[in-house]
Amino acid sequence: AQSVTQLDSHVSVSEGTPVLLRCNYSSSYSPSLFWYVQHPNKGLQLLLKYTSAATLVKGINGFEAEFKKSETSFHLTKPSAHMSDAAEYFCVVSLISGGYNKLIFGAGTRLAVHP
Amino acid sequence: SQTIHQWPATLVQPVGSPLSLECTVEGTSNPNLYWYRQAAGRGLQLLFYSVGIGQISSEVPQNLSASRPQDRQFILSSKKLLLSDSGFYLCAWGGQGPNQPQHFGDGTRLSIL
Repeated sequence: AQSVTQLDSHVSVSEGTPVLLRCNYSSSYSPSLFWYVQHPNKGLQLLLKYTSAATLVKGINGFEAEFKKSETSFHLTKPSAHMSDAAEYFCVVSLISGGYNKLIFGAGTRLAVHP
Repeated sequence: SQTIHQWPATLVQPVGSPLSLECTVEGTSNPNLYWYRQAAGRGLQLLFYSVGIGQISSEVPQNLSASRPQDRQFILSSKKLLLSDSGFYLCAWGGQGPNQPQHFGDGTRLSIL
């Protein structure tokens, strides 16, 4: 069965320092994985997606994620945090169920960025 | 480019009143459409999905219903709202092929008094 575990519910960084948001997945076949970001009272915005092409995936706003099959991980990183990065981040795995793409969401990681 | 519109942004309704939330998608044809609810401090719960006009599937039993009268229109309804229906409702669309991401609207914050 597919599942997603986000290892940190809260992460706090200083502006200008690196960001690491951790995600482990469980999948019985080669998964499709996504990272979404949600700012307060907004919908979810797709940051990046992995669909079995390159293992290092570059997304919007300077974020990237690396798919590591041996570690079943898909961690999200950014070299230098901005204040505008403060938001909730969701790691998501996709599976086909009943003719549609069902998304399995992690519980989310709230990122705080301090000046 | 594709866009998704959801309205209203916020809604305050008394218990027992009806509900209608609307979602429309532009710039794509025959999308899969989804309604989610996000309770405060919790993850997203899939309520309904639709793979075509008039085709609605429900993920969980509840006080709500959904309809898809047109290809790019998805409506979430209730005849009588309950306090437990409060939450943040998100509409999303996705492509028909495998491994397609979903794209979300800005959501409706529903408060039941």
